[in-house]
Amino acid sequence: QKEVEQNSGPLSVPEGAIASLNCTYSDRGSQSFFWYRQYSGKSPELIMFIYSNGDKEDGRFTAQLNKASQYVSLLIRDSQPSDSATYLCAPRVDSSYKLIFGSGTRLLVRP
Amino acid sequence: NAGVMQNPRHLVRRRGQEARLRCSPMKGHSHVYWYRQLPEEGLKFMVYLQKENIIDESGMPKERFSAEFPKEGPSILRIQQVVRGDSAAYFCASSPLGEETQYFGPGTRLLVL
Repeated sequence: QKEVEQNSGPLSVPEGAIASLNCTYSDRGSQSFFWYRQYSGKSPELIMFIYSNGDKEDGRFTAQLNKASQYVSLLIRDSQPSDSATYLCAPRVDSSYKLIFGSGTRLLVRP
Repeated sequence: NAGVMQNPRHLVRRRGQEARLRCSPMKGHSHVYWYRQLPEEGLKFMVYLQKENIIDESGMPKERFSAEFPKEGPSILRIQQVVRGDSAAYFCASSPLGEETQYFGPGTRLLVL
């Protein structure tokens, strides 16, 4: 079992729709969870992070965390073509500051 | 406020040569992390350093790879005797003391011929 699992996609949604990106992780010691966006050929760009169970909203983005289910998700409201990118889920292992990245979900927002 | 800086952005080496990748963290950041991204794969943690200390090198290959973050100057990731399998994008990230959030640099794309 991979440490962090994400559907590779592509996830295709129409412009203006809600995109839902999911991630499961295996290490119950993970305490904080980061979402990064990576455009092709570019470096990861931080979107947001979440520590506590529940929802956390930041503009058009909402992160959701369920530690009991070892599940974290990212919702993007009013999706735009410029949101088309690969979204990386990265839990931080409690005993270290290193991030364990999933392989990412490729999102395609159709105009 | 300059972000994380990496140079060179592109590096071409022949098999057997050495590659030196440099990373200057954001101003005020004392923690540096190196990650590698192979083509069509996710980012893999390599090493975590603070000034003059290697904190976690659990992701570093046992041979040919080394990293340092001296008291003065950038962090250096050094790959000796490069092989074709070392071709990848190498990203550096930094964070300030006491914070978890890591900010990534633009990366160095290494191509081994």
